[in-house]
Amino acid sequence: EDKVVQSPLSLVVHEGDTVTLNCSYEVTNFRSLLWYKQEKKAPTFLFMLTSSGIEKKSGRLSSILDKKELFSILNITATQTGDSAVYLCAVSTQGGSEKLVFGKGMKLTVNP
Amino acid sequence: SQTIHQWPATLVQPVGSPLSLECTVEGTSNPNLYWYRQAAGRGLQLLFYSVGIGQISSEVPQNLSASRPQDRQFILSSKKLLLSDSGFYLCAWNRFGREARFEQFFGPGTRLTVL
Repeated sequence: EDKVVQSPLSLVVHEGDTVTLNCSYEVTNFRSLLWYKQEKKAPTFLFMLTSSGIEKKSGRLSSILDKKELFSILNITATQTGDSAVYLCAVSTQGGSEKLVFGKGMKLTVNP
Repeated sequence: SQTIHQWPATLVQPVGSPLSLECTVEGTSNPNLYWYRQAAGRGLQLLFYSVGIGQISSEVPQNLSASRPQDRQFILSSKKLLLSDSGFYLCAWNRFGREARFEQFFGPGTRLTVL
């Protein structure tokens, strides 16, 4: 059974801190790994990673994938209160069905 | 540009009552469509997905069903709701193709409370 595990499940930090979110996976026929940010409603897309070792970056957020060790990390530097959200990791697989397998999510709280 | 709509935004229903949630996508054709449920403090659980009209794949056996009567319309239904059906229901879509991108776009969600 395909599985995506995120850690930690929750984290409380102060503004300005740097955080690292972890996502490990066990899936057959891996195609890509995606990160989403979910505030109050629908998740919004952050990154998609398909190749090992290539960092994706957007402002203070960055992510990298290790296909050999089957994990990804999402880094957030100089955190702000607006970064408070649930961060979801998902994996898509190749093959007959087009679907994503999601982790349980990591709740980040950034205090002023 | 593409947009995805869901309604209603919130719903409170008694146990044993029927359910119908609707999702529509605009600005694209032949999308893949998905229904997810998110219980409090949990990740997204895929319930159903559809790659075309009338084509439904069920991921989790339960008292819910889905239908796709039109290309850009996806409906989630139940004949009799259970307490455990409470949660946040999200509809999503993506384009199928040979490109490596597989980015899903989510609707605003429906928060269902079964009492």
